[in-house]
Amino acid sequence: QKEVEQNSGPLSVPEGAIASLNCTYSDRGSQSFFWYRQYSGKSPELIMFIYSNGDKEDGRFTAQLNKASQYVSLLIRDSQPSDSATYLCAVYTGGFKTIFGAGTRLFVKA
Amino acid sequence: DAGVIQSPRHEVTEMGQEVTLRCKPISGHNSLFWYRQTMMRGLELLIYFNNNVPIDDSGMPEDRFSAKMPNASFSTLKIQPSEPRDSAVYFCASSTDRDLGNTIYFGEGSWLTVV
Repeated sequence: QKEVEQNSGPLSVPEGAIASLNCTYSDRGSQSFFWYRQYSGKSPELIMFIYSNGDKEDGRFTAQLNKASQYVSLLIRDSQPSDSATYLCAVYTGGFKTIFGAGTRLFVKA
Repeated sequence: DAGVIQSPRHEVTEMGQEVTLRCKPISGHNSLFWYRQTMMRGLELLIYFNNNVPIDDSGMPEDRFSAKMPNASFSTLKIQPSEPRDSAVYFCASSTDRDLGNTIYFGEGSWLTVV
């Protein structure tokens, strides 16, 4: 079992819709959870992180964490074509180690 | 504040040659990571250092790969001899344990092509 799993997609949503990206992880001791966005040919850039159960909102982005289910999600409201990218889920497992999922490709259709 | 700086940005080399990738972490960060990204395998953690000490190199694919961090502001990843299957983007990243959550910040990557 992979340590961090994501649906590779592609996930296609129309402009203005809500995009929902999901991630599961295997290490119950994981402490912090991150969402990165990666445009083609660029490096991953941090969107937001969450470490407590529940929701965390930042602009059009909401991260959701459920430690009991070992599940993290990212909602993007009012999706824009500029949101088209690969979204990487990352999990800090402690001991300085952060593991990344393979990423979900998102396409927002104008 | 400058981010993580990597060099070279692009390198094309012939099979069998030695490749050295360089990284300068963000000033004040005490953890440094080398990742490799390919279409097939995604983003793989190769090795990471804390306070210049290698903590886990279990992700290094073969003995042909080696990494060093001689001081807090410099690290190298070396491949000798290089092979075509080493072609990938190599990212260096850094973090600080004073930052809640140990957020990782990436450099722009070194795009390696071995022909």
